[in-house]
Amino acid sequence: ETTLTQSPAFMSATPGDKVNISCKASQDIDDDMNWYQQKPGEAAIFIIQEATTLVPGISPRFSGSGYGTDFTLTINNIESEDAAYYFCLQHDNFPLTFGGGTKVEIK
Amino acid sequence: QVQLVESGGGVVQPGRSLRLSCAASGFTFSSYGMHWVRQAPGKGLEWVAFIRYDGSNKYYADSVKGRFTISRDNSKNTLYLQMDSLRAEDTAVYYCAKDPGAAAGTAGFDYWGQGTLVTVSS
Repeated sequence: ETTLTQSPAFMSATPGDKVNISCKASQDIDDDMNWYQQKPGEAAIFIIQEATTLVPGISPRFSGSGYGTDFTLTINNIESEDAAYYFCLQHDNFPLTFGGGTKVEIK
Repeated sequence: QVQLVESGGGVVQPGRSLRLSCAASGFTFSSYGMHWVRQAPGKGLEWVAFIRYDGSNKYYADSVKGRFTISRDNSKNTLYLQMDSLRAEDTAVYYCAKDPGAAAGTAGFDYWGQGTLVTVSS
């Protein structure tokens, strides 16, 4: 089973900041990494696919990087609407596994 | 637009059964694999099960294997999760999620529902 270690668990940012969220896999998963955003009471939204590809319709302030075991979600020029829970998912092998999640608060 | 609406959650005693449903719309349901994912209170997300577009292949997390059964009715655009021998540790919000692909189950999820809460308690 591939373990994903996501950090930080919580972060507080000021509008306009650049935010990085890390996800480290316990084994090589190529680029089989997705990122999602979830707000309370709402369905999760797919934001980054295959580690680096922005999902159509998602703000270009979001970007993804990484390959193999180390991955990063970056939010540039963060806005108040970006306050949410973010999590990574590896879909390289079963069982599909998730990072522990990051709660992003906007000051 | 794609919509996934879960239902069937509630409070159930340990050892009893419950069946969740996920009504799908806005896409050709019979062409895509589907998943169930859960999140226990205060815990991270856990993948539960996958079913191929035609129902011919299914995969389960070890934690639910032998107790939960995923199924689908493509004529009703509905996904199911039959949960038997429920335990306290099955308490969670259960989400259905659409796979971008049809058969392999290893393409992740492109759409999620809002979830339904299952509480296992005496």
